Amino acid sequence: AQKITQTQPGMFVQEKEAVTLDCTYDTSDQSYGLFWYKQPSSGEMIFLIYQGSYDEQNATEGRYSLNFQKARKSANLVISASQLGDSAMYFCAMGERDTGRRALTFGSGTRLQVQP
Amino acid sequence: EAGVTQFPSHSVIEKGQTVTLRCDPISGHDNLYWYRRVMGKEIKFLLHFVKESKQDESGMPNNRFLAERTGGTYSTLKVQPAELEDSGVYFCASSQGARDYYAYEQYFGPGTRLTVT
Repeated sequence: AQKITQTQPGMFVQEKEAVTLDCTYDTSDQSYGLFWYKQPSSGEMIFLIYQGSYDEQNATEGRYSLNFQKARKSANLVISASQLGDSAMYFCAMGERDTGRRALTFGSGTRLQVQP
Repeated sequence: EAGVTQFPSHSVIEKGQTVTLRCDPISGHDNLYWYRRVMGKEIKFLLHFVKESKQDESGMPNNRFLAERTGGTYSTLKVQPAELEDSGVYFCASSQGARDYYAYEQYFGPGTRLTVT
């Protein structure tokens, strides 16, 4: 079984600063994928970034990067140069890759508030 | 390109009533998923369609929940009869038929907030 742990229920960051949202995971699978989603107040879940367990380089998408440390089973999201529009809930999730199963397992989320 | 849409955005029903939620995936996406988040807990997987076939329904909580995807386009999730513990937000997501085995980013809709009183 897979498990995602997000230990920060809430985070504050000043505008233009970088922030790291923590995510640790547990799985017995050798091959898996890690995802981050953003949920603004409108409710829609927005896909941000993906990291495969066999990817050698950390994934990056614009201001988002994923700090993947496989030995520590962590997949932290780093947001550089925070903007007011980054205020939202952020969910870490993982999925299997060895099987055809596509279900994602989610963490409890971190609410990020960007302050001017 | 239109994203995943869900209808209604909010539904309030009484215990014992029936509710049907609808999801329209991104055009061309073969894979459609239902998830739900109840009582502020984690988002939980319910089931996965590939076109019109149920690929994985391991997360369906009980037989009061019925999901269909006729013609492999939109999907409905019916709850009958609804119970208080069914209250929560029901999300639908879709993904392409994978170009390769690992291409499976899921794109979510805004969710339907279900309140059972």
